[in-house]
Amino acid sequence: GAGVSQSPSNKVTEKGKDVELRCDPISGHTALYWYRQSLGQGLEFLIYFQGNSAPDKSGLPSDRFSAERTGGSVSTLTIQRTQQEDSAVYLCASSLAGGRTEAFFGQGTRLTVV
Amino acid sequence: TQLLEQSPQFLSIQEGENLTVYCNSSSVFSSLQWYRQEPGEGPVLLVTVVTGGEVKKLKRLTFQFGDARKDSSLHITAAQPGDTGLYLCAGGKSTSYGKLTFGQGTILTVHP
Repeated sequence: GAGVSQSPSNKVTEKGKDVELRCDPISGHTALYWYRQSLGQGLEFLIYFQGNSAPDKSGLPSDRFSAERTGGSVSTLTIQRTQQEDSAVYLCASSLAGGRTEAFFGQGTRLTVV
Repeated sequence: TQLLEQSPQFLSIQEGENLTVYCNSSSVFSSLQWYRQEPGEGPVLLVTVVTGGEVKKLKRLTFQFGDARKDSSLHITAAQPGDTGLYLCAGGKSTSYGKLTFGQGTILTVHP
């Protein structure tokens, strides 16, 4: 596609359920990032994939959060046993390579845990 | 821990006025990026500065990176209603390129 695509756009889930958020990066981009944006806050780094290297998971807030990137392309962020404090907009971005190359963001998935 | 302090958090001005948004840190960054985000959309990169003291201009927007690479500013001349949005600064470090540290953002509203 022309840009980074995220699905679903909106997700409402009950507390305690698992959710999966999907990101389709721009074709050919080797770097993929997940960020979280809470209301009134800036973006919080979650995880970074670069090519075949081991991902940087240092931003994941708890072991309920995990992410995979299959075939160096599509990525899935999974949140297990969701809590109300997980409610936020989850943003995915990709770039040609890590570092100073421009990162292109998707429109985000708004997750609401009720 | 908030490593990048952005100010002001809210700015409401009239069309034609000038404004400056500041981004400050006690940490040194190898690069500093400014993004603009509209409701329901992801952030869009405006500029990247990498050299201490660097100044970049993008039409009515002027970006400056501090000499010590710890702070940055965004100046808008003759603001227009189309400039309305959330402005975010983000710092990157050479030891962890993919991990940007974002400021909390400045919500700018320009009234006609």
